[in-house]
Amino acid sequence: EDQVTQSPEALRLQEGESSSLNCSYTVSGLRGLFWYRQDPGKGPEFLFTLYSAGEEKEKERLKATLTKKESFLHITAPKPEDSATYLCAVQDLNNFNKFYFGSGTKLNVKP
Amino acid sequence: ETGVTQTPRHLVMGMTNKKSLKCEQHLGHNAMYWYKQSAKKPLELMFVYNFKEQTENNSVPSRFSPECPNSSHLFLHLHTLQPEDSALYLCASSQGTSGGAEDTQYFGPGTRLTVL
Repeated sequence: EDQVTQSPEALRLQEGESSSLNCSYTVSGLRGLFWYRQDPGKGPEFLFTLYSAGEEKEKERLKATLTKKESFLHITAPKPEDSATYLCAVQDLNNFNKFYFGSGTKLNVKP
Repeated sequence: ETGVTQTPRHLVMGMTNKKSLKCEQHLGHNAMYWYKQSAKKPLELMFVYNFKEQTENNSVPSRFSPECPNSSHLFLHLHTLQPEDSALYLCASSQGTSGGAEDTQYFGPGTRLTVL
């Protein structure tokens, strides 16, 4: 069964303390892997798309990387405003209409 | 209005009621999606529409009935729901579903549904 697993479920960091979030997947074929940020009471906000192993994308303090089995979202020197739930999703290579989401990592950055 | 809008933002309904959720996208996209987000569970894809045609129905119970009159509007008609249907219902749109960058989905703020 196609599955996306995110870890940890929750992460508490001090401001400036860098860390990484993990997204592992077991889909039969990956077309693309998407990272989103979701704030309370809002819909997910698009961050990155990765398509092939070895690919990296960066935006401000965030960097996303992709291997054949997992993706990492690295957060460098986070600030309190980075606090949110980070979601990852994979698009099925065999059916571009299908997207599988993980349960998310809830990040709390304390000042 | 910009992006993807959803109305109402909050809805409380009894199990015998009939209600509808509305989604509108102002991005010129051709694909629209309905997702269900329950607490502590991953987003579940419910329906996908491309150019007004339904291209995906993820085994959703018939008490949920989608309607897509044009590429900018998407509805979810609800009837005889169960308490376990209480969740955040999210609408999204994308330029397309052809396997490229145009498949990136942009989400609305969601409708928080409570079924009593």
